[in-house]
Amino acid sequence: AQKVTQAQTEISVVEKEDVTLDCVYETRDTTYYLFWYKQPPSGELVFLIRRNSFDEQNEISGRYSWNFQKSTSSFNFTITASQVVDSAVYFCALSVPTSGSARQLTFGSGTQLTVLP
Amino acid sequence: NAGVTQTPKFQVLKTGQSMTLQCAQDMNHEYMSWYRQDPGMGLRLIHYSVGAGITDQGEVPNGYNVSRSTTEDFPLRLLSAAPSQTSVYFCASSYSAGQSSYNSPLHFGNGTRLTVT
Repeated sequence: AQKVTQAQTEISVVEKEDVTLDCVYETRDTTYYLFWYKQPPSGELVFLIRRNSFDEQNEISGRYSWNFQKSTSSFNFTITASQVVDSAVYFCALSVPTSGSARQLTFGSGTQLTVLP
Repeated sequence: NAGVTQTPKFQVLKTGQSMTLQCAQDMNHEYMSWYRQDPGMGLRLIHYSVGAGITDQGEVPNGYNVSRSTTEDFPLRLLSAAPSQTSVYFCASSYSAGQSSYNSPLHFGNGTRLTVT
């Protein structure tokens, strides 16, 4: 069975601080994908990034960066110089292939990030 | 450029009433799904479909029905609403279905906030 743990339920930072959101996953599959989604106060879920299990290179996109470490089964998300607009709930998700038509996608419980002005 | 469209945005039902949540996508996606989001529990899969005429149960299917008569539409029916079905419901789609779908990010609608009294 798959499991995704986002131990930080809520994080509060002051604008311009760096913040890291933790994601730890469990799976016996050697092939899988990890995702991060953002849910701003308006409620929609926005896809941020996808990473496959064979690519451990860190990724940077503007102020966002992701650190994937298979040795610790973690896929952490860092926001540099946070802004008020970064305030949202962030979800980490794990997707593994299945033998049938089902899609095995497991979400973490989310981390509520509040960036204070 | 509508993406995934859900209606209504808000709904209040009394226990025992039935209703249909609508979901439509204009991206020609094979895979469509319904999730419910509850505090502290992330997103849980209710039902999914890998193509027109094909549906299957997810993690929490009880009390819900779905159908997929066209590629574009995937309505979710609550047969007899219960307070336990108070939740935020998301429809999501992705381009591919089947065994290769695990690497496809989901595109989400804006959600329907349902309250059952």
